[in-house]
Amino acid sequence: EAQVTQNPRYLITVTGKKLTVTCSQNMNHEYMSWYRQDPGLGLRQIYYSMNVEVTDKGDVPEGYKVSRKEKRNFPLILESPSPNQTSLYFCASRQASGGWTGELFFGEGSRLTVL
Amino acid sequence: AQSVTQLDSHVSVSEGTPVLLRCNYSSSYSPSLFWYVQHPNKGLQLLLKYTSAATLVKGINGFEAEFKKSETSFHLTKPSAHMSDAAEYFCVVSGNTNAGKSTFGDGTTLTVKP
Repeated sequence: EAQVTQNPRYLITVTGKKLTVTCSQNMNHEYMSWYRQDPGLGLRQIYYSMNVEVTDKGDVPEGYKVSRKEKRNFPLILESPSPNQTSLYFCASRQASGGWTGELFFGEGSRLTVL
Repeated sequence: AQSVTQLDSHVSVSEGTPVLLRCNYSSSYSPSLFWYVQHPNKGLQLLLKYTSAATLVKGINGFEAEFKKSETSFHLTKPSAHMSDAAEYFCVVSGNTNAGKSTFGDGTTLTVKP
């Protein structure tokens, strides 16, 4: 089954404790992206990757890091989480064909609470 | 630059009545437009997309949307609402440059009353 898998789905942590949210897709998609969703703000892009070893900042990259060492994986790293990073996070992927305008496939989300 | 405005943050309809969720967009390029639905505690799922073919686009679960370039709109409609349609809906625009960046609207919460 084609899917994007995120882990963990739920996490409560404390300020300053490094954490990683993993994302894996099995569709051989070139493009992967991380978003955060906050009430009334829609989805805002954190980082994206157009292929292995190619990453770039989205609209709200502060406080986050990413890496793309393999095509299927795109982990999101919070080196020193703060309460304003409490949010619902989504990973998504899509094919490169069609000028990068194809459908995005989303994971089920990771709800992060930073105390 | 591109942007999306969903004109209603909340829409409430009765079961069996029509649904209209409004979306206006701005794009410097020929855009691709999408509607996604998000049910509680779930990821986003594609409802339909417009990519410069037919201006009236049909999607899943009886939804459709019409691309109107002159009005820069892409409103989502359904003739008869079902209880299972209650969810949050996002209008999204993607351009052909800037790595195909997707810009999301703020979302519209659809409530369906019995």
